[in-house]
Amino acid sequence: KQEVTQIPAALSVPEGENLVLNCSFTDSAIYNLQWFRQDPGKGLTSLLLIQSSQREQTSGRLNASLDKSSGRSTLYIAASQPGDSATYLCAVCGSSNTGKLIFGQGTTLQVKP
Amino acid sequence: EAGVVQSPRYKIIEKKQPVAFWCNPISGHNTLYWYRQNLGQGPELLIRYENEEAVDDSQLPKDRFSAERLKGVDSTLKIQPAELGDSAVYLCASSKNSGHSIFEQFFGPGTRLTVL
Repeated sequence: KQEVTQIPAALSVPEGENLVLNCSFTDSAIYNLQWFRQDPGKGLTSLLLIQSSQREQTSGRLNASLDKSSGRSTLYIAASQPGDSATYLCAVCGSSNTGKLIFGQGTTLQVKP
Repeated sequence: EAGVVQSPRYKIIEKKQPVAFWCNPISGHNTLYWYRQNLGQGPELLIRYENEEAVDDSQLPKDRFSAERLKGVDSTLKIQPAELGDSAVYLCASSKNSGHSIFEQFFGPGTRLTVL
């Protein structure tokens, strides 16, 4: 059974810092991995999707990496801003191609001005 | 392009009452998902539709939950009767899957259900 873990559960940093959020999964046989952002009381906004054949994806100040063999993904946020404050969730789609996403519990990020 | 639309955004009911949630996916997206998100947790899949067909409902508590996706577009998720433990955010997502290709899922704003 696939399990997804995100550490830390919460993170507070000063504005301008570069930071890394971690995601680990127990079954390396995945189809893809997706990173989401969730603001309080809101739905999920897709940030990056990495296919199993890819090692990383970039969008603006965000960079996500994937290491299937070790069951790990990281989300790197460069030059953090207060507007980046939110909960970040990673989700894994298993290789059965069902489209079912298994989510971690999220990392709540606070960027202080 | 309009995103996934859900209504209502908030619902407060007493236990044992029925409740229904509605979802309109992104135009052209053939796959629709219903997830439930408990406080402080990641979402968990309840049911997945490919067009009109429910292809994965293994996580749906069928004694009280039901869902339908008529004409392969809009979908409704119903709970009858609701229990205190059903309080959660119910999220709808859609994607445009093709054959063996699974594409990015896009989520709606969710319906926050409170059962008193």
